[in-house]
Amino acid sequence: DAGVIQSPRHEVTEMGQEVTLRCKPISGHDYLFWYRQTMMRGLELLIYFNNNVPIDDSGMPEDRFSAKMPNASFSNLKIQPSEPRDSAVYFCASSLAVVDEQFFGPGTRLTVL
Amino acid sequence: GESVGLHLPTLSVQEGDNSIINCAYSNSASDYFIWYKQESGKGPQFIIDIRSNMDKRQGQRVTVLLNKTVKHLSLQIAATQPGDSAVYFCAAWGGGNKLTFGTGTQLKVEL
Repeated sequence: DAGVIQSPRHEVTEMGQEVTLRCKPISGHDYLFWYRQTMMRGLELLIYFNNNVPIDDSGMPEDRFSAKMPNASFSNLKIQPSEPRDSAVYFCASSLAVVDEQFFGPGTRLTVL
Repeated sequence: GESVGLHLPTLSVQEGDNSIINCAYSNSASDYFIWYKQESGKGPQFIIDIRSNMDKRQGQRVTVLLNKTVKHLSLQIAATQPGDSAVYFCAAWGGGNKLTFGTGTQLKVEL
């Protein structure tokens, strides 16, 4: 397996634009997690899914953020409109069980100008 | 909730020496802990985990110790190598079905 795949690896956009980050989890993993990493706040869980259903989205900063998982092989995280404070590295991770090792993707470095 | 912290933001060791990275957690109900390694420009990579019914677990060159009494765990790396240079995170699972990550310790291996 290729591991968790994320795209794009880097995204530079202007304030106000919509940003879409994509993730393909490891095949067979029932759980998918979206994290945000910044120097100030470290790794923060934004939302996670079980069998494509959002379970906990309490970490989503505000209504500008949304995430979907239309099928077991794909999830996206959208920010609309984007703001400079959204600049961070966004990681997707997947696991077999909720209390289990999480496998992380390489991340998407987002810069909002 | 859970908060997880590390004692030192940066740890410098000589190549070949043993490294010890410490971590404290706040929730006594936490029952699963993971150590991750993150190299520059990459995602966190699993190193080793331990459940609360154990106090020690060993892997290849790594050992995790868990002291539930004082809510502390440590990661020991034997014979530290330049390739071990990275940021190390502990993460704790306890309450709320969330894995809470610490702030990380930067391990620097000096030749």
